[in-house]
Amino acid sequence: EPEVTQTPSHQVTQMGQEVILRCVPISNHLYFYWYRQILGQKVEFLVSFYNNEISEKSEIFDDQFSVERPDGSNFTLKIRSTKLEDSAMYFCASSDPSGSPYQFFGPGTRLTVL
Amino acid sequence: GDSVTQMEGPVTLSEEAFLTINCTYTATGYPSLFWYVQYPGEGLQLLLKATKADDKGSNKGFEATYRKETTSFHLEKGSVQVSDSAVYFCALRGVAGANSKLTFGKGITLSVRP
Repeated sequence: EPEVTQTPSHQVTQMGQEVILRCVPISNHLYFYWYRQILGQKVEFLVSFYNNEISEKSEIFDDQFSVERPDGSNFTLKIRSTKLEDSAMYFCASSDPSGSPYQFFGPGTRLTVL
Repeated sequence: GDSVTQMEGPVTLSEEAFLTINCTYTATGYPSLFWYVQYPGEGLQLLLKATKADDKGSNKGFEATYRKETTSFHLEKGSVQVSDSAVYFCALRGVAGANSKLTFGKGITLSVRP
């Protein structure tokens, strides 16, 4: 069964450093999403991406964040200058607008900012 | 804005016990409602869904009924198994479109003892 994959599973970085979280969505999906979950809190929507542009974003997704689909398979989330409060589990998801419009999630990347 | 509230956890049950996990929501119109489950080390998986009032979603012995009058979507299972131990998330998708963002509750950890 096709699945969404994410790398790395755990990333540790120093405050102020740039990080790139990587996702490989399901191959025929066209909508891509990033969510995050700070420990003990709700899963929060960050951004959705369709047709090579952002289709929706939350107030969390400020200028420090960016997304990119650099090739036909990867979908990345970049945080330019990490802050302590960026420490969270980051989930990637994808959906197929012509099929079941349900979002399929990856296992997550745990980001720890020291 | 849209929001989802889940009962506080964690929940610990003995095998074959009855399970109820409460979920209520706030949203305009008629959102779609979902339960996602996250098994250890894995991504969020869609467990069941309901897209209109009075719909009952069901899967793997779990059920939830979309109650517009009480804005609820409680998850139930008549007899839990050790393999049901996981984190359960209630979520809604607003009326903006089939590929719009999901709004999640905090999630609740279920542990089932043999």
